[in-house]
Amino acid sequence: NAGVTQTPKFQVLKTGQSMTLQCAQDMNHEYMSWYRQDPGMGLRLIHYSVGAGITDQGEVPNGYNVSRSTTEDFPLRLLSAAPSQTSVYFCASSYLGPNTEAFFGQGTRLTVV
Amino acid sequence: GQQVMQIPQYQHVQEGEDFTTYCNSSTTLSNIQWYKQRPGGHPVFLIQLVKSGEVKKQKRLTFQFGEAKKNSSLHITATQTTDVGTYFCAGPSGGYQKVTFGIGTKLQVIP
Repeated sequence: NAGVTQTPKFQVLKTGQSMTLQCAQDMNHEYMSWYRQDPGMGLRLIHYSVGAGITDQGEVPNGYNVSRSTTEDFPLRLLSAAPSQTSVYFCASSYLGPNTEAFFGQGTRLTVV
Repeated sequence: GQQVMQIPQYQHVQEGEDFTTYCNSSTTLSNIQWYKQRPGGHPVFLIQLVKSGEVKKQKRLTFQFGEAKKNSSLHITATQTTDVGTYFCAGPSGGYQKVTFGIGTKLQVIP
């Protein structure tokens, strides 16, 4: 099993550009989520999904969109990148919801200049 | 929303010394999870505690869940260089559809 796959691993964007961070899992997990990790701030939840067609906001959703058209995929879209979105982004999935073991992707290191 | 406080934020220890990180919540938690993130890596699940007063061991790692289910600790006995990384606790929040992570404790082990 590949587990949770994130692409790309690294990305540099100019302010105002848009892009999509991809996340796919092959474990048939219903629950998927996106976090950003900044120094001294731990992991903060951006958006999450409890199943295909259902998404909701986390702690820091502004500037990000998500959709969940299939169980496997949960892309994160940056609408108009800002330097404040420079961060490491992690996608995670879990079988029965957030209160069970979460499997994280390798992360995407995003720099907005 | 639910806040999970974690201390200390950083800890340097000599190899062979013990290490403990603490996690505290203002409200009762149904469960708490612990994760480890190696430098440059991604968080990896270590364990989940669900019962009041629960103690679980994984080799040199001992996890405890408080009697009131408001605090938890991770203790590492006789640290090794392979223990280097950041340890996070995580607890449910927002109607149990979300998890809130602590800020993490970054452990450095000096050989």
